[in-house]
Amino acid sequence: DVKVTQSSRYLVKRTGEKVFLECVQDMDHENMFWYRQDPGLGLRLIYFSYDVKMKEKGDIPEGYSVSREKKERFSLILESASTNQTSMYLCASSIIGGGKVEAFFGQGTRLTVV
Amino acid sequence: GNSVTQMEGPVTLSEEAFLTINCTYTATGYPSLFWYVQYPGEGLQLLLKATKADDKGSNKGFEATYRKETTSFHLEKGSVQVSDSAVYFCALSAYDYKLSFGAGTTITVRA
Repeated sequence: DVKVTQSSRYLVKRTGEKVFLECVQDMDHENMFWYRQDPGLGLRLIYFSYDVKMKEKGDIPEGYSVSREKKERFSLILESASTNQTSMYLCASSIIGGGKVEAFFGQGTRLTVV
Repeated sequence: GNSVTQMEGPVTLSEEAFLTINCTYTATGYPSLFWYVQYPGEGLQLLLKATKADDKGSNKGFEATYRKETTSFHLEKGSVQVSDSAVYFCALSAYDYKLSFGAGTTITVRA
């Protein structure tokens, strides 16, 4: 089975802190994604990466950055955490087969910024 | 751009009731369509998918048919169980390989 592992299930950070969310996948997938999940808004794409050191902005990149130094690892960075970044963060990885993508998700990190 | 609209919840059903969650989409080209499920405290799991028009995806008693003429992908189950209580997300993937999600529908099944 594909496994996508997020480093923390729950995090509490202070406003202004630099926050790192880590994600590792074990199936050699090219694509990796970071989403945030908020009630009534569904999942919104923050950033995605289609190869090592390659990244593209999603729909809501402001206040976030990412790093992908190795194929299996994709990190989300909150440069200066703010209370409006309190949310559930979901990492996903996917393969591309014949133009059809199927994504596999981690269990999520619930981040609270106080 | 691509977008997905699904019926709002929350929805509460009795066990063995019929479930329908409506999903419509807007996309360029011929997207793939998905239903994901999120059980309490967990990440999303793929429930079923369809990759071309008129395809029917099915899994665990759930079904959805890709209707290009109505741009819809409604999820149905004939007889729900308490264990089906979860949040259900409709999603699509188009030429850029990114997934676009609906807002999610929370389903609670009571015994």
